Amino acid sequence: KNQVEQSPQSLIILEGKNCTLQCNYTVSPFSNLRWYKQDTGRGPVSLTIMTFSENTKSNGRYTATLDADTKQSSLHITASQLSDSASYICVVSAGNFNKFYFGSGTKLNVKP
Amino acid sequence: GAVVSQHPSWVICKSGTSVKIECRSLDFQATTMFWYRQFPKQSLMLMATSNEGSKATYEQGVEKDKFLINHASLTLSTLTVTSAHPEDSSFYICSARDGREGFSDTQYFGPGTRLTVL
Repeated sequence: KNQVEQSPQSLIILEGKNCTLQCNYTVSPFSNLRWYKQDTGRGPVSLTIMTFSENTKSNGRYTATLDADTKQSSLHITASQLSDSASYICVVSAGNFNKFYFGSGTKLNVKP
Repeated sequence: GAVVSQHPSWVICKSGTSVKIECRSLDFQATTMFWYRQFPKQSLMLMATSNEGSKATYEQGVEKDKFLINHASLTLSTLTVTSAHPEDSSFYICSARDGREGFSDTQYFGPGTRLTVL
């Protein structure tokens, strides 16, 4: 069964601290994995996209990693800011491009 | 980057009325558009997939006669919530898949439409 699981479900950190969000998937065949940031009341915005051959990709303070062997991805946020407070969603695209599998998201709350 | 717009951004309607939500891809042609619903503190739930010029494919449990989807052009898809009821109140988000060569696995989301049915 194609699934995407994210952990933790929610996370509270202090401003300036780093954090890592996890995404495990069983989607096959794998096409790519995206991390999205969704602010409350807004649509998701893409942070990174990774294909099978990519191990790591950065976008500013966001760094995503992918281990295609263990089917795990992580999103590392460095020097967190209050504006990082949002839900982070992991989405895996299957081999046929009309199938996207969503994780349930991690709700991050950055406190001053 | 590719931009997807939705209109309206929020709408309040009376129970029993119909509401139309538009989703537009502004700078690319979207061969496929997706419609999602999101309840508070929950993840996005795919409602249907629409391909330009053909009937939408609905996910299990989604009533096609209640949620009418039209994808008449490569840049516009509409979702009409017919005879809306308070339980239809939700955040509706569309996304569009870029149909260009090399972009077909990219999905761009709209900003969402907040529907409140009184």
